Amino acid sequence: EAQVTQNPRYLITVTGKKLTVTCSQNMNHEYMSWYRQDPGLGLRQIYYSMNVEVTDKGDVPEGYKVSRKEKRNFPLILESPSPNQTSLYFCASSLTPGGAGQPQHFGDGTRLSIL
Amino acid sequence: DAKTTQPPSMDCAEGRAANLPCNHSTISGNEYVYWYRQIHSQGPQYIIHGLKNNETNEMASLIITEDRKSSTLILPHATLRDTAVYYCIVGGNAGGTSYGKLTFGQGTILTVHP
Repeated sequence: EAQVTQNPRYLITVTGKKLTVTCSQNMNHEYMSWYRQDPGLGLRQIYYSMNVEVTDKGDVPEGYKVSRKEKRNFPLILESPSPNQTSLYFCASSLTPGGAGQPQHFGDGTRLSIL
Repeated sequence: DAKTTQPPSMDCAEGRAANLPCNHSTISGNEYVYWYRQIHSQGPQYIIHGLKNNETNEMASLIITEDRKSSTLILPHATLRDTAVYYCIVGGNAGGTSYGKLTFGQGTILTVHP
C-alpha cells in the first residue's frame, strides 16, 4: 500500500531534549516536505527536499533541521525543543520536484507536546 | 502563490450534492487549482486538481470558470464521512519548476447532516 509513515504519532517531552520525528515513503517520490499545523494558523511549511541531499527552508524553519540521505526517508530533527514547537506535524511527498499537477500524499501526523 | 477565499463553513444534507466555492482572482495563467480535505486532525487528503478544464474523478468534480478566477468543488452525493475541512489551494506552475509548496488557508468546514 502506498503510504507516508511518520513516527512517533504522539510524543510528550521536555524542553531541550533532542528529538527526531521520522518520515518514510514507499512510492519512490522525489519531493518531500514537513508542515506544522497550529490552531488559527493553518498548515505551514517547515522544510522541503527536492531529492537526495537537496533540502531547503520553508516558511517556518527556525528551530528545526532535516536531512535527506536516502530517497525514502526525510527525518525532522529538533535539536533543542522549546514549548513553542508544540504542534501537530505532517510529512508529505509527491512524485516530482516540480510538484505542478502532482498530488501530495500526507502522513497521519505526529502530535508533539514540549513541556 | 495566489491566495484563495473560501466560506468558513457550509452545511449539506446527506445524499445531496455539496458545492464548495473558492475565489482565486489573482491566479496566474499557469497555476493549478488543488483541493484537499482534512478529517479531524488526520493528514490532508488529496481530492482533485485542475488547470483550465473541468475535472472529474471518483471522489469529486471540479468546475473552473472560464476566467479561472473561481472554482467549485462538487461532491455529488455527500455522506456523513465527507464532514471535513476542505482546502482550496492554487499553486504549482504548469510546465515550470515550482517546487510543489502548498499554501493552506483556513478552508471551509463542511458539515454533512442526516
